[in-house]
Amino acid sequence: KAGVTQTPRYLIKTRGQQVTLSCSPISGHRSVSWYQQTPGQGLQFLFEYFSETQRNKGNFPGRFSGRQFSNSRSEMNVSTLELGDSALYLCASSPSGASGEAFFGQGTRLTVV
Amino acid sequence: GENVEQHPSTLSVQEGDSAVIKCTYSDSASNYFPWYKQELGKRPQLIIDIRSNVGEKKDQRIAVTLNKTAKHFSLHITETQPEDSAVYFCAASRSNYQLIWGAGTKLIIKP
Repeated sequence: KAGVTQTPRYLIKTRGQQVTLSCSPISGHRSVSWYQQTPGQGLQFLFEYFSETQRNKGNFPGRFSGRQFSNSRSEMNVSTLELGDSALYLCASSPSGASGEAFFGQGTRLTVV
Repeated sequence: GENVEQHPSTLSVQEGDSAVIKCTYSDSASNYFPWYKQELGKRPQLIIDIRSNVGEKKDQRIAVTLNKTAKHFSLHITETQPEDSAVYFCAASRSNYQLIWGAGTKLIIKP
């Protein structure tokens, strides 16, 4: 069974640009969550999508948005990038999101210059 | 809002000794408590989890205990080995809600 796949693995963007990150969950998983992780920091929850609907949302500004497609693949978009957005962005999938194991992708490392 | 406090932030133990990491949660409706291990440069991976109807769970050298009354749960690692060095995260959730994460504990195993 293929794991969670995130693309691209690395990105360098300029301040003010926008970026789209992609996450393909494990086949059959309907829940996808996104996290931001900065060096030495924990996992900051961005949002969770379940069956194409945003089910839970963290405390990030509106510049951070996401969506989920009918095949459960999810994208995350960050507009008007700031230097502080430089981080590792992780997505995690789970079968239903109802209190079950979350499987993480390898992450996309975003650098904003 | 709901939160999970994790202590200590850094733990250094001698190889072969035991390590204990503690987490306290605020949402009394939480019913799922996983522990994840993140090695340097790698993704977090589940190492053990426990549900609210169980008080303790063991898997070889790893165990988790849950005290629902006090709203805290702990990870116990016995006979620590160099490969146990990593950052450990606890989390708590209720059904259909997102996991609420602790801040992480950096475990250092001294040879």
